[in-house]
Amino acid sequence: QQPVQSPQAVILREGEDAVINCSSSKALYSVHWYRQKHGEAPVFLMILLKGGEQKGHDKISASFNEKKQQSSLYLTASQLSYSGTYFCGTEPQGGSEKLVFGKGTKLTVNP
Amino acid sequence: DVKVTQSSRYLVKRTGEKVFLECVQDMDHENMFWYRQDPGLGLRLIYFSYDVKMKEKGDIPEGYSVSREKKERFSLILESASTNQTSMYLCASSLIGSSYEQYFGPGTRLTVT
Repeated sequence: QQPVQSPQAVILREGEDAVINCSSSKALYSVHWYRQKHGEAPVFLMILLKGGEQKGHDKISASFNEKKQQSSLYLTASQLSYSGTYFCGTEPQGGSEKLVFGKGTKLTVNP
Repeated sequence: DVKVTQSSRYLVKRTGEKVFLECVQDMDHENMFWYRQDPGLGLRLIYFSYDVKMKEKGDIPEGYSVSREKKERFSLILESASTNQTSMYLCASSLIGSSYEQYFGPGTRLTVT
């Protein structure tokens, strides 16, 4: 079942923050986050496996709630290079290694 | 530098033709995936392979088949291409295990006329 991503699109000015949510109706085994720039392949950002987990590098971080049904991606002090479409990929309980991706959130960062 | 390559960036085929999309990875990954990407729909899994000659259907396997004769190569086959298979096709690979990232190829934009 495809996870629901919100918002569908967001426009920021450089330096502003954004949150992208990924929700599932069922508990998940893992959540993966990827970013895809226009005309390029998706690039891995991070994986969350444990309920309550938080991860981050640089100014991009993510959380996985205790029930393992929702993940959020946090982009702080956004840079122009953050522009792109962000996808969450969810793995159902049982760990099938097959991801179901959301429809994506298009992030535009303007100067 | 890890690499997933796909045989063509752009491909134009006629309705009814048999189409082969090739994907090669140089990372000795066990898992390989074929996705289809359409605007507003995200990435949808067509087929997954976890070993040579092993495959599992994804969410949208109808009209497609796959072949994996060697570990590094995963082929997607459209037996009889149709216009509704016009799309961007992405190949990916990963190590076995849920904690491993997927590495994506650059994609093949297929147009069926």
